[in-house]
Formats: sequence, C-alpha cells, structure tokens
Amino acid sequence: QAQLVQSGPEVKKPGASVKVSCKASGYTFDNYDFMWVRQAPGQGLEWMGWISPNTADTKSAQDFQGRVTMTTDTATNTAYMELRNLRSGDTAVYYCVRGWRLKWFDPWGQGTLVTVSS
Amino acid sequence: QSALTQPASVSGSPGQSITVSCTGSSTDFGGSDSVSWYQQHPGKAPKLIFSHVGGRPSGLSDRFSGYKSGNTASLTISGLQPEDEADYYCCSYTTTNTVVFGGGTKLTVL
Repeated sequence: QAQLVQSGPEVKKPGASVKVSCKASGYTFDNYDFMWVRQAPGQGLEWMGWISPNTADTKSAQDFQGRVTMTTDTATNTAYMELRNLRSGDTAVYYCVRGWRLKWFDPWGQGTLVTVSS
Repeated sequence: QSALTQPASVSGSPGQSITVSCTGSSTDFGGSDSVSWYQQHPGKAPKLIFSHVGGRPSGLSDRFSGYKSGNTASLTISGLQPEDEADYYCCSYTTTNTVVFGGGTKLTVL
C-alpha cells in the first residue's frame, strides 16, 4: 500500500529557507510523479509544482517560480521541496502527494506545518 | 492562475443527493480526463474520491460519481451520510501541464 511520510513542523524567520521531505514506500518510486500543494490556515488548496522522479522534469506555479526547488532521491525514495525567501504569507501546511500523469493524486502525505514568524 | 470556480457551500439531508460544480476556462482543462476530486475533513489531509481515469479509487463508495462536459465538471454524492460532511475540491491539469484547484466547497449534512 502506497504511503508518503513527511518531515516534521518547522518554524522559520522571514527571509529564511525551508526544506520539506517526503518519504515514499509501498510502490515503485519512479513510476509516479510528485506534486506539492500548500494550504494556508482556513484557506483552500494551492498547487505549487510537480516533479517526475523518472525524468527529473519539473514545473512550478508562476507564484513560486524562482523561490521553489523540487528534487527527488531515487536511492532513498524521497522527494524534497525547498522554499526560499520565506515571508509570513508562506505560513501553511505543505503536502506532498503522488501523482499519475497529472490525472489523479493519491495518496497524500500527512502534511508539514511551516510557520514563518519573526 | 485563477482557481477553478466552485460554490462556497452546499447542503443536503441524509439520504439525499447533492452535486458540486466546478467551472473554468477552456485552458484549465487539459483533456476529457483531466479532472479529479478530493475530500478533506477538518485537520486531515485531502483524499482522492473520484478521477475520470479509472473512476473512483478501490475501496471507495460508489456513492461518489463525476461528470464533465465542456468547461464544467461536477461531483455527485448520492445517499448522503453524516460522514460526508467535509470540504470538496476539484482539480485539473491544464493545457500547459500546470495544475489548478477549485476554491473548495463546504458540504453540510443537515
């Protein structure tokens, strides 16, 4: 059974960077893509980007271009998302989720709360 | 990129059926199979409940069904149950291989 386990909560100061990890198990890692999604408190889901572990192709949302880097490590079946130059508006729960050709996304990681505060 | 448009809230009584709509522009829908739907209970991660590719995930109730025509997709939940009370999000891949979510719909089971 596929499962994604994310790293723990983070507290960062404005201007800092955060790197969230997402360890996959229960399926062939490079047969599926990863998508990163965030959810600010009380708000909806916001797509950040996707990465293919097989080809290393990535695509990020325009709002995050230049600030986000997505990578995967096929040796450890882990995906990473780094967000730089954090501001208070980046306070949110960040989710990784497995995707198949962008047509469906399942399962989701448990979420990682990133708090940006001075 | 703007979110897909969903109603902010819908409600229904146990046993009834409800439908949630999801509207976008032509570029928001990359194909006939581009839309998927997610359920999110408070404090929990979202969960896939329907995809136009392969329908619903194995083990999930057939009370959830989806439909798409033109620039509008819809999710129907039949035989409403109290545990269906949650937020529902549509999602689509676009013509430029980005992804867009709907703004979310809060379902209240009366």
